[in-house]
Amino acid sequence: SYELTQPPSVSVSPGQTASITCSGDKLGDKYASWYQQKPGQSPVLVIYQDTKRPSEIPDRFSGSNSGNTATLTISGTQAMDEADYYCQAWDSNTYVFGAGTKVTVL
Amino acid sequence: QVQLVESGGGVVQPGRSLRLSCVASGFTFSNYGIHWVRQAPGKGLEWVAVISYDGGDKYYADSVKGRFTISRDNSKNTLYLQMNSLRAEDTAVYYCAKSTGTHAFDYWGQGILVTVSS
Repeated sequence: SYELTQPPSVSVSPGQTASITCSGDKLGDKYASWYQQKPGQSPVLVIYQDTKRPSEIPDRFSGSNSGNTATLTISGTQAMDEADYYCQAWDSNTYVFGAGTKVTVL
Repeated sequence: QVQLVESGGGVVQPGRSLRLSCVASGFTFSNYGIHWVRQAPGKGLEWVAVISYDGGDKYYADSVKGRFTISRDNSKNTLYLQMNSLRAEDTAVYYCAKSTGTHAFDYWGQGILVTVSS
């Protein structure tokens, strides 16, 4: 079965850039999506189709996907961005999530 | 605005059954595939099942195949998940989520807790 691998945690200082990677076999040939989840809340879609951002998501969130790695980048990270982030892809009629990355804003 | 509201959760004994419902509003329900996604306590997200806009196609995670059945009633804007032969490892918050049409989930419900315990 298809697997997506994320680092368990990423730390970033306020105002700096956080990059979260998601690795999977030929992931660049699939669409990658990213979700933000804060404690006690439902997930929120922040990036879909590799690079697209829902209208309500701030433009400091961006995405890329090539080769075996998709990346979510948060530029000018704010305290409110502290959350768990999950990548997700579709493969052979099943949907796969990465294990999640906890972003801590120090 | 788009709303998805789950119901039907609770505590159930191992081996028993439970049916979850998800009522949708704020969009044309019959035009979109809808998913169930779950999250065990303190764990990550796990996709469970999806049903196409017209109910003609259904796909399941291996972990629930043969035990869970997804269905929908477009006249009632409602999605269902029939869960049979429940196991302790099925304990989780269950979310319904609307498909974007390009393999992402753009709106999520608030989630409903299912606890399988004797």
